[in-house]
Amino acid sequence: DGGITQSPKYLFRKEGQNVTLSCEQNLNHDAMYWYRQDPGQGLRLIYYSQIVNDFQKGDIAEGYSVSREKKESFPLTVTSAQKNPTAFYLCASVNRYGYTFGSGTRLTVV
Amino acid sequence: DAKTTQPPSMDCAEGRAANLPCNHSTISGNEYVYWYRQIHSQGPQYIIHGLKNNETNEMASLIITEDRKSSTLILPHATLRDTAVYYCIVGNSGNTPLVFGKGTRLSVIA
Repeated sequence: DGGITQSPKYLFRKEGQNVTLSCEQNLNHDAMYWYRQDPGQGLRLIYYSQIVNDFQKGDIAEGYSVSREKKESFPLTVTSAQKNPTAFYLCASVNRYGYTFGSGTRLTVV
Repeated sequence: DAKTTQPPSMDCAEGRAANLPCNHSTISGNEYVYWYRQIHSQGPQYIIHGLKNNETNEMASLIITEDRKSSTLILPHATLRDTAVYYCIVGNSGNTPLVFGKGTRLSVIA
């Protein structure tokens, strides 16, 4: 079945550590997006990529980094520069008909 | 900022139709109206989208006013499993990132 997979589902990070969230899709979509969601809030765009080897900053890119070496994969690294990383992170793959979201990764700083 | 206005919350009795309104008075000619829903701690799920005409699928109906400045999502027979946050979004997913606001929290009550 075609779909989009995020891993891990839960992630704990110590302060000062970098962590990488995985996002893989087999929908053959060119575009992939990363959003962050805080409790009771909407989704805020972190980074997006419309095509392999190209990506753009979203509204809250500071403290995050991405790569897009393959069409199927768009990993997100939360760096130590992100001061408040505890949140729910959602990845989506996108075509002109709409978005397909993964099930999310809940990151907690301990 | 989101280009749509939705009520923050609504209640609906189980088995009745749920009518969720959305205002989008600044919608452009090539922008679609999309509806997604998010059940707690999951990724948003696509429901339906439309440009000008009313649309219906197995999940819901979308009614767009003739001037396209507002729309209504109709869940014809709401069940407890329809309890979720519903997002109304305008844009064109093939071109630029969609902006997800805070949505409407629909509670279906037995």
